[in-house]
Amino acid sequence: AQSVTQLDSQVPVFEEAPVELRCNYSSSVSVYLFWYVQYPNQGLQLLLKYLSGSTLVESINGFEAEFNKSQTSFHLRKPSVHISDTAEYFCAVSESQKVTFGTGTKLQVIP
Amino acid sequence: EAGVTQFPSHSVIEKGQTVTLRCDPISGHDNLYWYRRVMGKEIKFLLHFVKESKQDESGMPNNRFLAERTGGTYSTLKVQPAELEDSGVYFCASSLLNQPQHFGDGTRLSIL
Repeated sequence: AQSVTQLDSQVPVFEEAPVELRCNYSSSVSVYLFWYVQYPNQGLQLLLKYLSGSTLVESINGFEAEFNKSQTSFHLRKPSVHISDTAEYFCAVSESQKVTFGTGTKLQVIP
Repeated sequence: EAGVTQFPSHSVIEKGQTVTLRCDPISGHDNLYWYRRVMGKEIKFLLHFVKESKQDESGMPNNRFLAERTGGTYSTLKVQPAELEDSGVYFCASSLLNQPQHFGDGTRLSIL
């Protein structure tokens, strides 16, 4: 069975500071990894994904995540956050068509 | 292209009543999924359709929940009778085979 752990339920960070949202997963087989974001009063949006190939994946708004198989991690990072990044971020894993989500991390960017 | 559409966006009903949620997937997506997030907890898988067939319904909580996808297009999720613990946000997603899932905005269900 697959599972996802997001240890940080809330992460406050000052604007323009770097941030890392942690994600660890467990699975018995090869998986696909995702980060989804939910902005206030909106639905879930795919932020970035790892399917195969390069272990470092990037989004169009400056986030990146690195797949680390030995540590079973897929941490999300951004070198300089903006107010508009305030949202809840969900790490997810899929080994078939079923997606398993973490409990989410609320990123609060402080002006 | 239009995204995944869910209706209604918010529903408030009393315990014991019936509610039906609707999901319109992205055109051409054979795979349709339902998920639920109960307050403060993780988003949990409910079931997966491939066209009109239920591929996996292992996440359905009990027999008060009925999902259908007649004709393989839109899907409905009926809760009858609704209980207090059914409150939460219900998400629908759709995808092509082995591709990332695209989510709707969700339906916020409140049971009083």
